[in-house]
Amino acid sequence: AQTVTQSQPEMSVQEAETVTLSCTYDTSENNYYLFWYKQPPSRQMILVIRQEAYKQQNATENRFSVNFQKAAKSFSLKISDSQLGDTAMYFCAFMKRNNNDMRFGAGTRLTVKP
Amino acid sequence: SAVISQKPSRDICQRGTSLTIQCQVDSQVTMMFWYRQQPGQSLTLIATANQGSEATYESGFVIDKFPISRPNLTFSTLTVSNMSPEDSSIYLCSVGWAESLEQFFGPGTRLTVL
Repeated sequence: AQTVTQSQPEMSVQEAETVTLSCTYDTSENNYYLFWYKQPPSRQMILVIRQEAYKQQNATENRFSVNFQKAAKSFSLKISDSQLGDTAMYFCAFMKRNNNDMRFGAGTRLTVKP
Repeated sequence: SAVISQKPSRDICQRGTSLTIQCQVDSQVTMMFWYRQQPGQSLTLIATANQGSEATYESGFVIDKFPISRPNLTFSTLTVSNMSPEDSSIYLCSVGWAESLEQFFGPGTRLTVL
């Protein structure tokens, strides 16, 4: 079974600074996908960024980037130039290839302070 | 992308009763999923709603407790039967396509059982 671990229940960052959220996972699969989802207080889940395991290049979406270390089974999210609107729960998720069954970590509550 | 609505957005129910949650999508989707998010916790997959056949349930979830319907490619319902306070959670619907990696989430239904 796949497990996803987020070891930081809560984090805070000053506006305009950079923060990194950690995620590790356990799998015997070789082909899979990793995601970071954001859940603001409105509770609407929003996809932030995704990474295909077969791609060595780290995914980037504007201020959001990942550090994907396949051998270490690590998938951290870096948020640059943090904004107040980034305040939310962040969930790391794993999905096997050809199986849309998504497994989520426990989440990290990020607070961006003015 | 997809626009997903859920009804009701929240409800307070009495122990022993049942509640049916609706999930409506603005376009045809291959896959529909139901998740539970207990207070302050991560998302747990309940089942995959299959169009034209019975839902596929995850370990720990059974059809008698969480019957699911999927009459067409844009609609699904989840019923929480014979409710107890332990069923108090947010229930989220998500959708995806077989050829796509993304899942789009509905706004969730906040259920409180007294």
